[in-house]
Order: sequence, then structure tokens, then C-alpha cells
Amino acid sequence: EAGVVQSPRYKIIEKKQPVAFWCNPISGHNTLYWYLQNLGQGPELLIRYENEEAVDDSQLPKDRFSAERLKGVDSTLKIQPAELGDSAVYLCASSLDSGYNEQFFGPGTRLTVL
Amino acid sequence: QKEVEQDPGPLSVPEGAIVSLNCTYSNSAFQYFMWYRQYSRKGPELLMYTYSSGNKEDGRFTAQVDKSSKYISLFIRDSQPSDSATYLCAMNPSGNTPLVFGKGTRLSVIA
Repeated sequence: EAGVVQSPRYKIIEKKQPVAFWCNPISGHNTLYWYLQNLGQGPELLIRYENEEAVDDSQLPKDRFSAERLKGVDSTLKIQPAELGDSAVYLCASSLDSGYNEQFFGPGTRLTVL
Repeated sequence: QKEVEQDPGPLSVPEGAIVSLNCTYSNSAFQYFMWYRQYSRKGPELLMYTYSSGNKEDGRFTAQVDKSSKYISLFIRDSQPSDSATYLCAMNPSGNTPLVFGKGTRLSVIA
């Protein structure tokens, strides 16, 4: 069974540029999560989707971050414009059930903003 | 004070040693406790999942939860170089609330 797929794996951009990350969850997993992980820290939830619906986006900085999961399968997270402080690893996870407790993580996208 | 405290290490042990990794927490509502392993340049992988207090064993790994002390532990027996990774604890009050992660402890097992 294929795991959670994320692309790109690495991205380097200049500040004020836009950037987008893509995630394809494990087949059949209806719940999808985006996390941010800073160096030396644990992951922090940005947004959770149940199918197409964003059910927990309270931690998403909505002035510059947006996300979509149009058909309830793959998802895109966008930052526009990027700031220096956005440099981090962006992790996607999915789960079969609607809860948070058995998530499968992708490898992440490492973003560097110069 | 953060909700979940975890010593970042690094922790270095010889192969075959018993490793003890720990987290403390302040929120008495936490009921579900998890340990994730994260290799360099990879995403976290769920290792152990326990509910409320008690012990859970899976192969060389044992998870312990002491809710009275707000303290959880992960023990690794007969540690191997392949166990070298960062270990993250995570917890939540219910399955429908976001996980709160510790910072992770970086472990190196030296052959």
C-alpha cells in the first residue's frame, strides 16, 4: 500500500514569492491534515479536512495561507506571499477515521525562504 | 509552561542498552498518549498508542502512562543502531481534538 505522497520534497524561494505544496493521502483515507514542523519542534496542526470540508482550521494563518481539497482526495496548501519565518517542514497526514489518533504522515516538504 | 515537555537530548547510548524516553504534561484532561518515531528527512511514524494509565508492550518497545504524575515513558530494550531517530510524544483529551506534540528527543544508538 502506498503511503502519503507529498511534492515537492524541497523548495527554495525568495521572500514575497508564492509557493504551493501538494499531498495525496493513502487511498481510502477520508481525513487529511496539514502540519508545520519547525526545526527542533513537534508538528503543529494547520488544518484538518473531512472529505472536502475543512473542519479544524483555527491555526491556519489565513492572511497568507490557504488550502483546498476540492474532490476530497488530494490537497494543496499555498502560501502567498512567503515570509522568512515560513521556512519549515510542511507535513501532510491522513487517517481512515475522523479522529486524530491514528494518522499516517508523509515525508514532508522542506521549505526555505531566502 | 508548555502543555507537553520533552527533553530534546541528544541522547547517545551503546547498542544493546535499555533506553528510557520521557514526557511530562500539565493538562489533566489528556487521555490518549502516543509515541512517534521520526527518522531524519522523514515524516513521523506512529509507534505506540495508549489510552489512560498503564503499560503497553510491543516487541522491544514498552509505553507507560502515569496519569497521577502526568508522566509518560517509552522504553526500548536491546536498542539497535536502526533505532537512532527522534522520538516524539503526543497526546490529546479525546480522539477528536488535535494532538499536542512534544519537541522530540533525538536518540543515537552507537554500534
